[in-house]
Amino acid sequence: EVQLVESGGGLVQPGGSLRLSCAASGFTFSSYWMSWVRQAPGKGLEWVANIKQDGSEKYYVDSVKGRFTISRDNAKNSLYLQMNSLRAEDTAVYYCARQEYPGDAFDIWGQGTMVTVSS
Amino acid sequence: QSALTQPASVSGSPGQSITISCTGTSSDVGSYNLVSWYQQHPGKAPKLMIYEVSKRPSGVSNRFSGSKSGNTASLTISGLQAEDEADYYCCSYAGSSTFDVFGTGTKVTVL
Repeated sequence: EVQLVESGGGLVQPGGSLRLSCAASGFTFSSYWMSWVRQAPGKGLEWVANIKQDGSEKYYVDSVKGRFTISRDNAKNSLYLQMNSLRAEDTAVYYCARQEYPGDAFDIWGQGTMVTVSS
Repeated sequence: QSALTQPASVSGSPGQSITISCTGTSSDVGSYNLVSWYQQHPGKAPKLMIYEVSKRPSGVSNRFSGSKSGNTASLTISGLQAEDEADYYCCSYAGSSTFDVFGTGTKVTVL
């Protein structure tokens, strides 16, 4: 079964850090671009970051540039999101999702992991 | 990059057809045939319903169809069913610096 499973969410204070993980199974992970998409409580979806198959290209939405870092380990079939200098507005469910190429549809999504930034 | 504009809510009776619009700009929807649509039930992850404007993934009902004209894309649900009640989001590629932009979301209610 093709599957993505996120982990690592939780409660963190403003200014703190958190590392999210996404474990992939059932497909050739190294063949796909991967993205993080977030959804604030009661709000819409927002693309956050993506990474090329070999990790050589990484892109971010302006609001997280310089604070978040996307990475992957193809040997472990895993995607990561290191989040530093967290703000209240980063509070959201974070989903990992796969694409064949930038602009392609997100055809597989994980179940999401909740990140709450609050004192 | 601003979110694509969708109506906040659309409703219809069982068996009817409804259409959800998704309005962008010449930099996103109008420039690329890379519009996708997602269905999201409460507390669940989004599910791909339409890709590349009008293509349906395997397993998605043919009651769902997509189209595009200029800067506006549309999702039509025909033969509305109770299980179609959910939030729907459009998404468009917006170029190699902005990448993917989602719509504001539409809540579909089956009366």
